[in-house]
Amino acid sequence: AQSVTQPDIHITVSEGASLELRCNYSYGATPYLFWYVQSPGQGLQLLLKYFSGDTLVQGIKGFEAEFKRSQSSFNLRKPSVHWSDAAEYFCAVGARGNEKLTFGTGTRLTIIP
Amino acid sequence: DSGVTQTPKHLITATGQRVTLRCSPRSGDLSVYWYQQSLDQGLQFLIQYYNGEERAKGNILERFSAQQFPDLHSELNLSSLELGDSALYFCASSVSGSMQTQYFGPGTRLLVL
Repeated sequence: AQSVTQPDIHITVSEGASLELRCNYSYGATPYLFWYVQSPGQGLQLLLKYFSGDTLVQGIKGFEAEFKRSQSSFNLRKPSVHWSDAAEYFCAVGARGNEKLTFGTGTRLTIIP
Repeated sequence: DSGVTQTPKHLITATGQRVTLRCSPRSGDLSVYWYQQSLDQGLQFLIQYYNGEERAKGNILERFSAQQFPDLHSELNLSSLELGDSALYFCASSVSGSMQTQYFGPGTRLLVL
């Protein structure tokens, strides 16, 4: 069975600082990996995805993520956070033939001025 | 705006009652997915429909059922409601039934009193 671990429940960073949110997955086949963001009271917005090819993927809002098969990781990064990035971030895994997404428990990001 | 619409936005009802949540997928998307987000269970996949037929089932209770209509909109029916069914219910859609990016609606917040 596939699973996703987001080890950090809550992260606080200063505005303008860099950010890295961790995601580890467990899946036997080639995974399809996603990062979604959820602002308070809102739905889930897709930030970026990895299906195949270049292991460094660029997303919206200046985010990027790197797929590392050897570490079963898909960490999300941003070089300089903005106050508007405060939200909850979810990593998810899916696979061809198993289209449901399995989500991690989420990381809540707080930005301090 | 993902293009996925869900109604109603909020729903308050009593234990033992039955409710119907509605989802309209993005134009051209054939697959609809239902997810439940609760504090104790996180984001969990419930069920997927593809072009009117059930494609995959997750942790969906027997009290819950869904269907997808010829115009591709979907409804999630929740019956004999319990306090623990209070949650945010998301609908997502994708182009096909194989692994594709899922776009999420804004959700329906259900409160069972």
